[in-house]
Order: sequence, then C-alpha cells, then structure tokens
Amino acid sequence: GAVVSQHPSWVICKSGTSVKIECRSLDFQATTMFWYRQFPKQSLMLMATSNEGSKATYEQGVEKDKFLINHASLTLSTLTVTSAHPEDSSFYICSARDPGTGAYEQYFGPGTRLTVT
Amino acid sequence: SQQGEEDPQALSIQEGENATMNCSYKTSINNLQWYRQNSGRGLVHLILIRSNEREKHSGRLRVTLDTSKKSSSLLITASRAADTASYFCATDKAAGNKLTFGGGTRVLVKP
Repeated sequence: GAVVSQHPSWVICKSGTSVKIECRSLDFQATTMFWYRQFPKQSLMLMATSNEGSKATYEQGVEKDKFLINHASLTLSTLTVTSAHPEDSSFYICSARDPGTGAYEQYFGPGTRLTVT
Repeated sequence: SQQGEEDPQALSIQEGENATMNCSYKTSINNLQWYRQNSGRGLVHLILIRSNEREKHSGRLRVTLDTSKKSSSLLITASRAADTASYFCATDKAAGNKLTFGGGTRVLVKP
C-alpha cells in the first residue's frame, strides 16, 4: 500500500523559533496533500490543503502567515510553524491521496509531535 | 469544524465481545470512511462506504450507512486487545475532496 512519511517524528523548540515538518509520499506521486492538527484526546482538524505547484488552501481560522505550506514537488510538502508559541504545541499529521489507486482514500503519515517550550 | 459526532466517546469491553460505535454527520456526503488511530500514531484506513451503499464488510469489521438518518455504524466482532485504539469516521462531499472527521470513539479492549 501507499506509504506517507513525516519528519521529524517529534520536535521540541523554544518559543519564538520556527519549525519545519516534512511530509513525503514514498511510493506514489501526490498532487494533493492535507495537513491536520490534533490536540490530545481530540479529533483531527484540517488546517490546509496543499497543492503541488500552487498556493495552499487554508481552512477558516488558520493563519496562513503562521503556518507556511510549500508543495514544491509531487512527493514532498512542508509545513513551517513560524514564531512558534506554546499554544502551537500539538500533533501534526499529513495525508496524501494516491490518484493512481483511486480518488477517495487518503494515506496518513505517522504524525509529528511538536512541543513548544 | 467537525462534520458530526461519534457515539460513544469511549467504550470499554472484554476481549471476544463486539464493539459498536456510531457516527452522525450533518451534510450530504459522497463517501464515509472509518479510520483507526493507535495512541500517538497516524491513522490507518479501515473501510470506505459510498453514499449509495448500505453495508460493507471487511474481515471482522462491518459498516452500515443510513443516508436518510445521516449516520453510520462500525461494528468490530470478536474484539482483541490489539483493537484498542481510537476510531474516527470521516466524510467527504466529493471524490478527492477534503475529509471532515468526527470526534472519535476511544475503544479499550481488556484481555
């Protein structure tokens, strides 16, 4: 099956610094990737849809200048949390669709746990 | 915002018992999917049911969909300790569209 990886799996950073999270589709080309945020014991909330070669589409309430998304290739999307604050501490998960197997199923990465101190 | 609610929020059962959880949604959908998430991990796709389907099986999983009630259920038969996880339903309005997740059901299967 399709595999999506994320790096790093966890990161601790100081308040005010920026953190970059990578999402890669390992064995397929993903024209669209999705970024989610999940707080403890809560569901996944979609942050943005990342489209290869174009600007990301952000969900209402998500600050595009704070959460920078770049989808420069068909296998890589990055999420940069700029000027991170403790309230940005969360579990960030990406997903990707494999258009080669069908338009419906999304494959999820293992997630990145961000802790801002 | 979340599409709907899942019920119950938490479920504790003995190994061998069946686990049933329900998902309700608010708007019309194209597909409904169920995912499993082990603690602190990513999501694993379990099963997809299309809006024109009413029931689907996959191994020990049985999913039903009632579009008139805007609800779905996931049944796990003969549960195992390894089934301990959170289960989420997710809906999309069109093929390839973004998913909207329910609140999730935390299932604990005691050995």
